[in-house]
Amino acid sequence: DQQVKQNSPSLSVQEGRISILNCDYTNSMFDYFLWYKKYPAEGPTFLISISSIKDKNEDGRFTVFLNKSAKHLSLHIVPSQPGDSAVYFCAATGGSNYKLTFGKGTLLTVNP
Amino acid sequence: DAGVIQSPRHEVTEMGQEVTLRCKPISGHNSLFWYRQTMMRGLELLIYFNNNVPIDDSGMPEDRFSAKMPNASFSTLKIQPSEPRDSAVYFCASSRVAHEQYFGPGTRLTVT
Repeated sequence: DQQVKQNSPSLSVQEGRISILNCDYTNSMFDYFLWYKKYPAEGPTFLISISSIKDKNEDGRFTVFLNKSAKHLSLHIVPSQPGDSAVYFCAATGGSNYKLTFGKGTLLTVNP
Repeated sequence: DAGVIQSPRHEVTEMGQEVTLRCKPISGHNSLFWYRQTMMRGLELLIYFNNNVPIDDSGMPEDRFSAKMPNASFSTLKIQPSEPRDSAVYFCASSRVAHEQYFGPGTRLTVT
């Protein structure tokens, strides 16, 4: 059973607008969440993370929000740029365990 | 600084043949991870090493798969014998800080 779910396989956004990517999880032991970005023919690259003791973490154009009661997190990209077009993976882990559980990814396309 | 290096980038082999994938982690990183990505299952952790010792191999699909890390700068993932269902992209990742894993470019394996 999938413990980390990204229910939208794809998202298309206009340049300059906000992109919102969503992720749900089922395992209440998860306490650290990450977003990775992946371009074709490359490996995923770490983007931003959040600990369960926070509900928001911001890094430049990227902000991750965590709603623990709903077991939901989202990644906001503002403003979106064509170079942001990639597959975005949500990942989660629990305790000091290094093991990451990934969602299946959302393909973001930012149109000029 | 060089990132995680994987070789080969592409491998095409016939069913029944032995396949060896190689990984050089980032210098100074003490954890190494092997992942497999397929359309059906997404990104799955196969095995991870800490300080060259296998810590969790619960993701290794079956005995045909084996992984070694003889030293801090080299790891192999071997499939013997290979089967068509092993066709996937295999990623190696390394980390120094818990959770923030750096991925290599991947090896695309095709077993015919």
